[in-house]
Amino acid sequence: AQSVTQLGSHVSVSEGALVLLRCNYSSSVPPYLFWYVQYPNQGLQLLLKYTTGATLVKGINGFEAEFKKSETSFHLTKPSAHMSDAAEYFCAVTNRRDKLVFGAGTILRVKS
Amino acid sequence: GAVVSQHPSWVICKSGTSVKIECRSLDFQATTMFWYRQFPKQSLMLMATSNEGSKATYEQGVEKDKFLINHASLTLSTLTVTSAHPEDSSFYICSGHARGGKETQYFGPGTRLLVL
Repeated sequence: AQSVTQLGSHVSVSEGALVLLRCNYSSSVPPYLFWYVQYPNQGLQLLLKYTTGATLVKGINGFEAEFKKSETSFHLTKPSAHMSDAAEYFCAVTNRRDKLVFGAGTILRVKS
Repeated sequence: GAVVSQHPSWVICKSGTSVKIECRSLDFQATTMFWYRQFPKQSLMLMATSNEGSKATYEQGVEKDKFLINHASLTLSTLTVTSAHPEDSSFYICSGHARGGKETQYFGPGTRLLVL
């Protein structure tokens, strides 16, 4: 069975600072990994995904994530936070048989 | 591409009534659609998986007679909450796989249900 742990339910950064949202996963098979963003009262928007190939994945809005098999991690980063990045972020894993398993989410707050 | 819509976005109903929520894939065909619910300050919980033309598969603890799912076409799935009660109040989100891209789910904007 798959599982996802997001370290830190709340992360606060200053505008212009580095954003780092942590995600560790557990999977018995090579995983597909995802980061989604959710703005208040909205659905989820795909930021980026890792399936196979290059372990550093670039997504929308300047975000990227690196798949580290040895650490079972898929942390999300952005070099410089913007006010519009304030939202909730979900890491998710699938075993390729359709079902997505989500982490608990991390709320990102960006201070001006 | 890969846009999913939901209707309505908000619904308020009286206890005991039924509510239907539509999920449409606008620019792709979704052979599989998923229904999630999300309580305040919590993550998404999968309720059921529906495949076009067949019965939905419900997750453990989800009452199939209460949450009726119909996936009548490759672009439309509906969730009907029957005899709704206040504890059914939640944010319901659907998603779908694009054909040929089964690893990625594309999510709708969600439907906020409030049962009085």
